[in-house]
Amino acid sequence: DADVTQTPRNRITKTGKRIMLECSQTKGHDRMYWYRQDPGLGLRLIYYSFDVKDINKGEISDGYSVSRQAQAKFSLSLESAIPNQTALYFCATSSAGHEQYFGPGTRLTVT
Amino acid sequence: KNQVEQSPQSLIILEGKNCTLQCNYTVSPFSNLRWYKQDTGRGPVSLTIMTFSENTKSNGRYTATLDADTKQSSLHITASQLSDSASYICVVSGAPFFDNAGNMLTFGGGTRLMVKP
Repeated sequence: DADVTQTPRNRITKTGKRIMLECSQTKGHDRMYWYRQDPGLGLRLIYYSFDVKDINKGEISDGYSVSRQAQAKFSLSLESAIPNQTALYFCATSSAGHEQYFGPGTRLTVT
Repeated sequence: KNQVEQSPQSLIILEGKNCTLQCNYTVSPFSNLRWYKQDTGRGPVSLTIMTFSENTKSNGRYTATLDADTKQSSLHITASQLSDSASYICVVSGAPFFDNAGNMLTFGGGTRLMVKP
């Protein structure tokens, strides 16, 4: 997990606020991903990026946006947070043809 | 719709005992199946990856099996330890060559295992 870091680890915010979750990696991978995990459900893909100039929507991108500031940094934004975005958010990285490595997660609560 | 179903949802066993977790999938196309271990408050960590041509793969006390015909996989844990307490997630990929094309991974909901002394 130390190779993929996420900040903050925990965040409580109010409905309507803008919030940014950040992910950094030191693995030198070109591919980065954002997932959310809800209790009892599988991880669901929000956005993914295969390089700095490549951004793709995942299964549940509505209400989210991303920015790939550099090869090592991929941030997720909630423009106007709502309670059903309360979840555990994971960043992951990989190189082409190889396994994904996940960060430690960010627990987000929207009140 | 591609789906991955895991059973049981939760399981409690005594330290030293064996257990088997199940994964059924309806993902097509199929390329490979992965088992992850997720400790509480941590990200998932890969245990095994199997392609359709592999029937079994071991990683220490963890042994995964795959039946691509019936679309079933199992994860067997031998001589459980307290540190095995975690969620175990089955993931099926439709992308070739272990690629992680973002829209081709389907995650199961996980089995939460608790090992008691």
